Amino acid sequence: DAGVIQSPRHEVTEMGQEVTLRCKPISGHDYLFWYRQTMMRGLELLIYFNNNVPIDDSGMPEDRFSAKMPNASFSTLKIQPSEPRDSAVYFCASSSSRSQYFGPGTRLTVT
Amino acid sequence: EDQVTQSPEALRLQEGESSSLNCSYTVSGLRGLFWYRQDPGKGPEFLFTLYSAGEEKEKERLKATLTKKESFLHITAPKPEDSATYLCAVQASGGSNYKLTFGKGTLLTVNP
Repeated sequence: DAGVIQSPRHEVTEMGQEVTLRCKPISGHDYLFWYRQTMMRGLELLIYFNNNVPIDDSGMPEDRFSAKMPNASFSTLKIQPSEPRDSAVYFCASSSSRSQYFGPGTRLTVT
Repeated sequence: EDQVTQSPEALRLQEGESSSLNCSYTVSGLRGLFWYRQDPGKGPEFLFTLYSAGEEKEKERLKATLTKKESFLHITAPKPEDSATYLCAVQASGGSNYKLTFGKGTLLTVNP
């Protein structure tokens, strides 16, 4: 299996622009997670899905962030409009049990 | 609120010098404690899950142990390739909760 796939790996954008991050989970996994990692706050859960349904979005920082999972093999995290404080590495993870498997991440820089 | 504190923040060892990393946690009820390894520029890589006090798991030079308040990751005779950030996370019990709360990690450097 190819593992969790994320794209793009790097994204540089200007403040105010829309950013869309993409994730393909491991086939057969029914849970999908979006995390954000910064030096200051470490790794934080933003939202997670079970069978394509959002279960807990309490970590989503504000209305500028939204996530969707239209089918079992694809999810997006969108930031609109983006701000410099959104600069971080965003990880997607998937799971079929208690253990989560992470993708390589998307490094987002908002200037 | 679930909390995870890892110490030390950074640890530098000589090759072959054994040591331990600490993970202290506060959770309403523990469903599982997880250890991950993260290399620079990569996503966290799953190492172990521990479920109850007294449980131990081993993988190569690593051994994870669990008590009711903390977990240790023991590294025996480390090699330079063990250099990485080690992350600890807890999962609280209750319903279908799958949320992981992570500590900030310990950056381990093993010098040859």
